[in-house]
Amino acid sequence: AQSVTQPDIHITVSEGASLELRCNYSYGATPYLFWYVQSPGQGLQLLLKYFSGDTLVQGIKGFEAEFKRSQSSFNLRKPSVHWSDAAEYFCAVGTANTGNQFYFGTGTSLTVIP
Amino acid sequence: DTGVSQNPRHKITKRGQNVTFRCDPISEHNRLYWYRQTLGQGPEFLTYFQNEAQLEKSRLLSDRFSAERPKGSFSTLEIQRTEQGDSAMYLCASSLNIQPQHFGDGTRLSIL
Repeated sequence: AQSVTQPDIHITVSEGASLELRCNYSYGATPYLFWYVQSPGQGLQLLLKYFSGDTLVQGIKGFEAEFKRSQSSFNLRKPSVHWSDAAEYFCAVGTANTGNQFYFGTGTSLTVIP
Repeated sequence: DTGVSQNPRHKITKRGQNVTFRCDPISEHNRLYWYRQTLGQGPEFLTYFQNEAQLEKSRLLSDRFSAERPKGSFSTLEIQRTEQGDSAMYLCASSLNIQPQHFGDGTRLSIL
């Protein structure tokens, strides 16, 4: 069965510092991978996606992620964090087999300190 | 693209009552998904429609839950005889085939 692990429940970084959020997945074939961001009381906004091709994908708000098949990882990065980036971040894996049902990780809560 | 719309945003009800939520997907999207999210967790898949056909249901979707998408456009999720454990955020998402899902802002259900 597919699963997604986000090892870090909570991360605190200083504004302007770099950020990396970890995501590991379990899936037999090449998955579709996504990162979403959620602000309190809101729905999820897509940051970026990986379907195939270039393993380094660029997203909105200056985020990028790298698919590493050998490590079953899809870590999210940003070179310089802004205070407005404070939110909950979810990694998700989708499959084409069952209508693109998504499996989400438990999320990483990001706090940005001035 | 007006986004995915969910109504109501908040619902407070007494245990044992029935509730119904509505989701209006992005108009050209043929797939519609329902998820449930509890505090501190990621969304959990409940069910999915392709056009008007309900193609998959999670084991989380007990007999008290029913979802419809009668004309392949909007969808409703009904919970009968609500229980305390049903308190959660119910999220709807839509997509065009296997493209990324776009989420609504959710309906937060609180059971008294």
